[in-house]
Amino acid sequence: GAVVSQHPSWVICKSGTSVKIECRSLDFQATTMFWYRQFPKQSLMLMATSNEGSKATYEQGVEKDKFLINHASLTLSTLTVTSAHPEDSSFYICSARSISGGTDTQYFGPGTRLTVL
Amino acid sequence: QKEVEQNSGPLSVPEGAIASLNCTYSDRGSQSFFWYRQYSGKSPELIMFIYSNGDKEDGRFTAQLNKASQYVSLLIRDSQPSDSATYLCAAAGTASKLTFGTGTRLQVTL
Repeated sequence: GAVVSQHPSWVICKSGTSVKIECRSLDFQATTMFWYRQFPKQSLMLMATSNEGSKATYEQGVEKDKFLINHASLTLSTLTVTSAHPEDSSFYICSARSISGGTDTQYFGPGTRLTVL
Repeated sequence: QKEVEQNSGPLSVPEGAIASLNCTYSDRGSQSFFWYRQYSGKSPELIMFIYSNGDKEDGRFTAQLNKASQYVSLLIRDSQPSDSATYLCAAAGTASKLTFGTGTRLQVTL
């Protein structure tokens, strides 16, 4: 159980274009999902918290107009990188919050590797 | 600034030995703690979580928590080459947001 998928697994795009990444919880409902970014040899940095049916909460320094998050259902959150630039190239990972049996944990998707040319 | 500190390593242990990974955290309000394993180029995989002081065992893994010392550790018994990865320690704060350490790279040698 607790499987999270992401699509696409990798994407290459030209500078100035927008890229949408999907995150799905496959076998549980997640009212909260999280979006992280990881640069090479660095740890995960939380970008934003995505709440079903409400606006996302962004971490300090993350531009909400550049990284659009939509959490339209209990199993799907999307991250759109708008007007992507080479410095946005990174490994984007989502996680879904699972509250079950008294435990509150996050399960991660496989990640999306974005390369902006 | 809420921080989670880990030694970056690499920590090298021979196959079959016990690997001991350590983590300290700064936020006394943190209530739950997690260990994730991350292979190169992959996303983190949950290994264990611990909420209460003391030890928690799951197979070859034992997590230890000491809230007074703000210290979390992960022991891996009978280390295998497949355990070679980066191990991330994370502390959960408000709204279950996780703060990650930078990870410790473990190398299990033959």
